[in-house]
Amino acid sequence: QLQLQESGPGLVKPSETLSLTCTVSGGSISSSSYYWGWIRQPPGKGLEWIGSIYYSGSTYYNPSLKSRVTISVDTSKNQFSLKLSSVTAADTAVYYCARLDSGGSRRPLGRDAFDIWGQGTMVTVSS
Amino acid sequence: AIRMTQSPSSFSASTGDRVTITCRASQGISSYLAWYQQKPGKAPKLLIYAASTLQSGVPSRFSGSGSGTDFTLTISCLQSEDFATYYCQQYYSYPLTFGQGTKVEIK
Repeated sequence: QLQLQESGPGLVKPSETLSLTCTVSGGSISSSSYYWGWIRQPPGKGLEWIGSIYYSGSTYYNPSLKSRVTISVDTSKNQFSLKLSSVTAADTAVYYCARLDSGGSRRPLGRDAFDIWGQGTMVTVSS
Repeated sequence: AIRMTQSPSSFSASTGDRVTITCRASQGISSYLAWYQQKPGKAPKLLIYAASTLQSGVPSRFSGSGSGTDFTLTISCLQSEDFATYYCQQYYSYPLTFGQGTKVEIK
């Protein structure tokens, strides 16, 4: 059974870079044609898509965050990672990693629903 | 970006009620619409994709309908475990966007 687990610091200082890793277990990140994504949720607010990556390294980012976001993949470790630079208090949120798929459709370019999610990790931006 | 608007933002209902949540897209998205359920402190759970297809393991009291710009999520007989926040999401085009959420509370 495929599982995703986020990891990384829970506290980041303003202006620094937030770095998170998502470890995929129960399946290979590169053996199937899936995209993998990051989503965040500020406390008490809704969900925001950050970006997605294919195992080959092809990426798509939310234009609202694109200048500060880098998503990368390490197939040897079965992980993909998120870096968000120049963080402010507005970046305080629960960060989720997820797989993109809907009923096996594996839509082109990763435009899909999120069918498997990690449990999420809270990141607070504060000095 | 395609804007997703849910209504209502919240409401109260009783166990056994039939409830409907609406999601409207700012432009046509065909049937590329998903619904999620989120409980406090938990990750969202995919309920429905392609506007009306039930994700494996989701109870049949959940159903979805619509295409183009207007969509609905219906819970035919509300159970205690269904009190949660529900989100719609379009995956027609980038950026992927979610509705603001609808909180279903106990009356």
